Amino acid sequence: GENVEQHPSTLSVQEGDSAVIKCTYSDSASNYFPWYKQELGKGPQLIIDIRSNVGEKKDQRIAVTLNKTAKHFSLHITETQPEDSAVYFCAASRGGNNRLAFGKGNQVVVIP
Amino acid sequence: EAGVAQSPRYKIIEKRQSVAFWCNPISGHATLYWYQQILGQGPKLLIQFQNNGVVDDSQLPKDRFSAERLKGVDSTLKIQPAKLEDSAVYLCASSLEWDQPQHFGDGTRLSIL
Repeated sequence: GENVEQHPSTLSVQEGDSAVIKCTYSDSASNYFPWYKQELGKGPQLIIDIRSNVGEKKDQRIAVTLNKTAKHFSLHITETQPEDSAVYFCAASRGGNNRLAFGKGNQVVVIP
Repeated sequence: EAGVAQSPRYKIIEKRQSVAFWCNPISGHATLYWYQQILGQGPKLLIQFQNNGVVDDSQLPKDRFSAERLKGVDSTLKIQPAKLEDSAVYLCASSLEWDQPQHFGDGTRLSIL
């Protein structure tokens, strides 16, 4: 089955700087890649997703890039704010029954 | 639009007891998912429903876990009997259709003593 790995496990950034989290996946047939943000005591919140027919997608301060050849995709957060502090999960899916395989998560800490 | 509703938020039981979790998906969402999230890990799919039919239950421990979505709207996940390793957050998610983005509830945190 699909195996998704996230790096680094913890990332600390100064407020206002950019944060980048990278995920690698194993199944070349995967075609859907969402990113979720999870705050303490809450469920994962979808923040952005990308399908394999595009290489980049942006939504305000958040962007996702996809490299199908290298089988990795990255989350970019610009102008980080304290409220961006959370655990971020990437996931990958082949489509079909849409089973998502999640990574183990990255803890992002934004230092004021 | 109201999000995915789950109850209870917390549950503490002793091993070998039974427990049930309830989920009400976003209105109009045909696909419903139950996930298990162990501390420090990403969510793992247990079962997926399309309306009131099961699409994928390949990762559900069927000797102790069961789930139903009888009228194609809300759903119940049951564990009987519970084991220590079942301590986790149980998340429900829904999507408009099987190929649409999934939206999660806040989960039920289960502790087994």
